[in-house]
Amino acid sequence: DAGITQSPRYKITETGRQVTLMCHQTWSHSYMFWYRQDLGHGLRLIYYSAAADITDKGEVPDGYVVSRSKTENFPLTLESATRSQTSVYFCASSEWRGGGHSYEQYFGPGTRLTVT
Amino acid sequence: DAKTTQPTSMDCAEGRAANLPCNHSTISGNEYVYWYRQIHSQGPQYIIHGLKNNETNEMASLIITEDRKSSTLILPHATLRDTAVYYCIVRANNNAGNMLTFGGGTRLMVKP
Repeated sequence: DAGITQSPRYKITETGRQVTLMCHQTWSHSYMFWYRQDLGHGLRLIYYSAAADITDKGEVPDGYVVSRSKTENFPLTLESATRSQTSVYFCASSEWRGGGHSYEQYFGPGTRLTVT
Repeated sequence: DAKTTQPTSMDCAEGRAANLPCNHSTISGNEYVYWYRQIHSQGPQYIIHGLKNNETNEMASLIITEDRKSSTLILPHATLRDTAVYYCIVRANNNAGNMLTFGGGTRLMVKP
């Protein structure tokens, strides 16, 4: 089914471990984003990508690594997980439609990550 | 991006219109007003956006004041499924990579 998917949906890991969260979209959108949402708070941008092999930092990039070798995939890696990275992670994608039109972001269902 | 101010929470009776206000007094001329909502445990969902004219789609209506310093999202016939946190965001539309800055939003509770 077309759309944006994330895996795993739930993950428990230990402090110091590396963990990768996957994001896949079927729309061929140029832009992809990673946000985190902590309990009771709004979303904060971690990294985004304008196209394959082009990534840039968002508001809270420390402790995270991203890559984008293919347009449809945008994995997020926590190189050495810490308890402060316990959060819900949302991936999103969008496209520039030109002519001054908007490009709303479409969000995945989220990955709930717990670091013990 | 301009900062927005929204009430923390609101209640609405099922079947009635829900009017969610948002103040954005420092909005710039090239910034649009976007509304997203987040139903519990789901990813945010785009609702509507506008620059200066009122907008309507199948989900909602957006009323922007003439001075653009505030706006109101209207859900014309709220249902229980509209219970969610609603985020008002202002953002320049000149780059698809412009981040969405989510504030605290308004928690709308639709009651039977």
